[in-house]
Parts: sequence; C-alpha cells; structure tokens
Amino acid sequence: EPEVTQTPSHQVTQMGQEVILRCVPISNHLYFYWYRQILGQKVEFLVSFYNNEISEKSEIFDDQFSVERPDGSNFTLKIRSTKLEDSAMYFCASSGTGSDEQYFGPGTRLTVT
Amino acid sequence: QQQVKQSPQSLIVQKGGISIINCAYENTAFDYFPWYQQFPGKGPALLIAIRPDVSEKKEGRFTISFNKSAKQFSLHIMDSQPGDSATYFCAASKGQNTDKLIFGTGTRLQVFP
Repeated sequence: EPEVTQTPSHQVTQMGQEVILRCVPISNHLYFYWYRQILGQKVEFLVSFYNNEISEKSEIFDDQFSVERPDGSNFTLKIRSTKLEDSAMYFCASSGTGSDEQYFGPGTRLTVT
Repeated sequence: QQQVKQSPQSLIVQKGGISIINCAYENTAFDYFPWYQQFPGKGPALLIAIRPDVSEKKEGRFTISFNKSAKQFSLHIMDSQPGDSATYFCAASKGQNTDKLIFGTGTRLQVFP
C-alpha cells in the first residue's frame, strides 16, 4: 500500500540553525501539506502546496518557513533559523486529485536546543 | 469559527464496550469530517470520514454519526478492543483539495481487558 514517507525521523538542532525536513508524498498525489504537533497537543496546519506554489499558509508559517518541491518526488519544509518553540512533530500529508482524504507520514520529531 | 471542539479529553472503556467521542463545529462551510487514529510516536492514520449529506457511516466496528442541524458529529467504536487504545482526532475541512484540516484537541482512549 502506498504511503507517505518522511526523513529524518528525529532531528536535533541548535537554536538559530537551519533545518530541512523531507517528505516523499504518495506517488500520484498532487496536493501536499505540512502540519505540526507540539507534544501532547492537537495537530495544527502549517501550509498547503499545489502546482508548485503555496495554496494557503497559517499564521505559524512566517518568513522563517519555506516549502519546496525540488524534484518530482520530494517535498521539503525548511526552517531558516530555528527557535526553541519550533520543537514539535512535523507531519507531511498528501492527497490525490478529486479526493479529500489526506494521508499522513510518520512525522519528523524536531528538537531545538 | 474555525475551531472544532472535541470531548472527552480522555476515555476509559472495558474490552467489549462502546467508545463514544464527540465533536462540534461552527463553520457551516465545512463539508468533510474525517476521524484520525494516532498511536504514540506515529502519524495520524485516516480511520473513517463522512460528508454532511448522510447522517451515518459505518465501517466495521467504527461508525460516524452526523447531526447537521446541531453541527455535531461523533465516533462510535463498537466492541472496543485493547488494540484500539490510541488518541483519536476529529477534523473538518471545506472539502476542497487545497483546504486544510482543522483538528479537534484529541481524545485519549484506553481499553482495558
């Protein structure tokens, strides 16, 4: 069964450093999303992406965040200068054309020290 | 108006019992209501979803009941099993591919043998 994959599973970084989180969406999906979940809290939307551009972004997704689809399979989230409050699980999701179903990856745990 | 309210926060059920989790929303533009199951350290997994044009949807032991006039929907897990122990999130979206999921705060379900 096709699934969304994410790397790395755990990333530890120092405050102020740049991180890139990687995702490989399900192969025939064209709609991509990033969500985050602070420990013990609900899942929050960050950004949606379609046709090589951002469709919508939340207030959390400020100038420190960017997304990119560098090739036909990867979808990345970059945080330019990490803050302590960026520590969270980051989930990538994808959905297919004409479908509302979003499928989530296993997540990347980001720890900013 | 973008919020989805979920209750209870935690639920303890004996094996074989019925687990019921409730959600309420305000935004009448929401058109798609999925439930996700999340095990510790894993990504949310799509369990079952409903649209407002039906009042109930059943898949195996899982049933969604939907009350459009009350703007409420609930997940019923029949014959609950210890393997169902997880956190359950309701969510809502406008049902368009690029639209974000708005998640509830989650319910931690524990099923004891």
